[in-house]
Amino acid sequence: AQKVTQAQTEISVVEKEDVTLDCVYETRDTTYYLFWYKQPPSGELVFLIRRNSFDEQNEISGRYSWNFQKSTSSFNFTITASQVVDSAVYFCALSESQAGTALIFGKGTTLSVSS
Amino acid sequence: SAVISQKPSRDICQRGTSLTIQCQVDSQVTMMFWYRQQPGQSLTLIATANQGSEATYESGFVIDKFPISRPNLTFSTLTVSNLSPEDSSIYLCSVWASGVGQYFGAGTRLSVL
Repeated sequence: AQKVTQAQTEISVVEKEDVTLDCVYETRDTTYYLFWYKQPPSGELVFLIRRNSFDEQNEISGRYSWNFQKSTSSFNFTITASQVVDSAVYFCALSESQAGTALIFGKGTTLSVSS
Repeated sequence: SAVISQKPSRDICQRGTSLTIQCQVDSQVTMMFWYRQQPGQSLTLIATANQGSEATYESGFVIDKFPISRPNLTFSTLTVSNLSPEDSSIYLCSVWASGVGQYFGAGTRLSVL
């Protein structure tokens, strides 16, 4: 069965702290895609990153970085020097088999950054 | 990336009525997806809509309640029928942008009184 687990329901940090959001996935496929999305209070889903199962390189984009480890079926997301604007719900998602299929979402992690 | 326009952005409807949500994409796509996000919850796939064929519904969702149209490769509608307060949710359409990832519309916030 396919499944995405985000064990952290809510995280609260103070500005400038680093924070890591955990994501663990389950799939039987050897080809799959992993995603992270941000959902601010406005409700729209903002695409952050896609990673395919054959690319285990870590990625850094500004203050954001992602650590993909197939050995532990994890795709964790770190925000460095957090800011108030980072406050949102963050979803990890899995797409199986090939590009173009629907996503399976984790339950999301609510990040609150206070000043 | 793909630009997705979803309408309406929000609506308040009376019990027993229906709401039709439109999703327009700026490029041709084979599949479009409709998701529901109930308050405080994650996203759940309602159905996958291919152009020229009937939508494929996920377990727990039926065509009579959530009829979908897909008249061409850039447009789809989702209707939520016979509304009840339990239908109050955010409804989102999405498409897969080749080589990039899956993008979502801004969502439709539905409140049923």
